Amino acid sequence: KAGVTQTPRYLIKTRGQQVTLSCSPISGHRSVSWYQQTPGQGLQFLFEYFSETQRNKGNFPGRFSGRQFSNSRSEMNVSTLELGDSALYLCASSLGQAAPGELFFGEGSRLTVL
Amino acid sequence: DQQVKQNSPSLSVQEGRISILNCDYTNSMFDYFLWYKKYPAEGPTFLISISSIKDKNEDGRFTVFLNKSAKHLSLHIVPSQPGDSAVYFCAASGRTFTRELTFGQGTILTVHP
Repeated sequence: KAGVTQTPRYLIKTRGQQVTLSCSPISGHRSVSWYQQTPGQGLQFLFEYFSETQRNKGNFPGRFSGRQFSNSRSEMNVSTLELGDSALYLCASSLGQAAPGELFFGEGSRLTVL
Repeated sequence: DQQVKQNSPSLSVQEGRISILNCDYTNSMFDYFLWYKKYPAEGPTFLISISSIKDKNEDGRFTVFLNKSAKHLSLHIVPSQPGDSAVYFCAASGRTFTRELTFGQGTILTVHP
């Protein structure tokens, strides 16, 4: 079956702009999580959505937001971009059962902020 | 404060030998641990997991050992193959009904033919 699809794969923005990233989970998966990967901080949890509700949020400023649609597709938005937002943004989907289980990651969206 | 640490940034092993990747954690609330591997330009791929009620889990060439008293886990790969060359991430999850994982910084494994 098709994996997790993230778009766009690469994008370049300038400081102060905003960006929206999209994620289509594996069919049947109702949980979508977002992670930021940077060389200095590694992989850090941004937030998780389950059945259109944000279930948990990591330690990121309010400029980072997300949402999930009824078909489980998810978007994340970063407003007022800063240079430090340059990173690989990874989306992961899972069935969303009680045990953490494994996450299925997409290939990521590489954001460069100039 | 890094709650999950992989102290070895890299590991080099000969094909056919054992690879041992280590991970330490500080948060005693973590009760589920996972290993992911990542190839360049790809997202991380789940490898193996272990619950805190176990001390060992095996899947083919991969075995994860958990020492709760030492807050330490390790991934053994036997025998190592060149295709195993990748970045390996240790991750941990607490007693919450979420998909929030805390990742280590990763260890680059290189398996030489």
